[in-house]
Amino acid sequence: DAGVIQSPRHEVTEMGQEVTLRCKPISGHDYLFWYRQTMMRGLELLIYFNNNVPIDDSGMPEDRFSAKMPNASFSTLKIQPSEPRDSAVYFCASSLAWGMGNQPQHFGDGTRLSIL
Amino acid sequence: AQTVTQSQPEMSVQEAETVTLSCTYDTSESNYYLFWYKQPPSRQMILVIRQEAYKQQNATENRFSVNFQKAAKSFSLKISDSQLGDTAMYFCAFMTLQGAQKLVFGQGTRLTINP
Repeated sequence: DAGVIQSPRHEVTEMGQEVTLRCKPISGHDYLFWYRQTMMRGLELLIYFNNNVPIDDSGMPEDRFSAKMPNASFSTLKIQPSEPRDSAVYFCASSLAWGMGNQPQHFGDGTRLSIL
Repeated sequence: AQTVTQSQPEMSVQEAETVTLSCTYDTSESNYYLFWYKQPPSRQMILVIRQEAYKQQNATENRFSVNFQKAAKSFSLKISDSQLGDTAMYFCAFMTLQGAQKLVFGQGTRLTINP
């Protein structure tokens, strides 16, 4: 399996621009998670989906952030408008439902986002 | 809410030595999972080892083992015969089995293995 695939790997853009991060989970996984990693706050869960349905978005920092999962093989995290404080590494992870072989979350390589 | 605490921001040892990374957590639940993830400079998040709370036996994976003390809510990682490739950030994480399958991470320990 190719693992969780994220794109782009790096994104540099100016403040105020729209940013879209993309994720392809491992085929067959029921859960998809978006995390943000910063030096100050560490790894934070932003939102997660189960069978393409958002379950918990309590970690989404502001209305400027939105996430969608239109099908089982694709998800996006969008920031509009972007601000310098959004600069971070954004990870996508996927997993089977717990109990299905007790599989842990598998992470993508992350997108390093820099907002100038 | 669950919390995970890693009290050692940085550690450094010589190659081939044994090193132990500390992790404590807080929860009122009796059944849950604990994990150690490794993040090398390449930025990947790699699962190192996992422990099921209802299992008394400590998990081991080759040179990696844990000391799980449920009553003390402690979950330390021991790396034996450390190698240069073990240099990375190490994150302890907690996952509840009640409903949401969310991972709660500690702040991480930066481990450097010196030649």
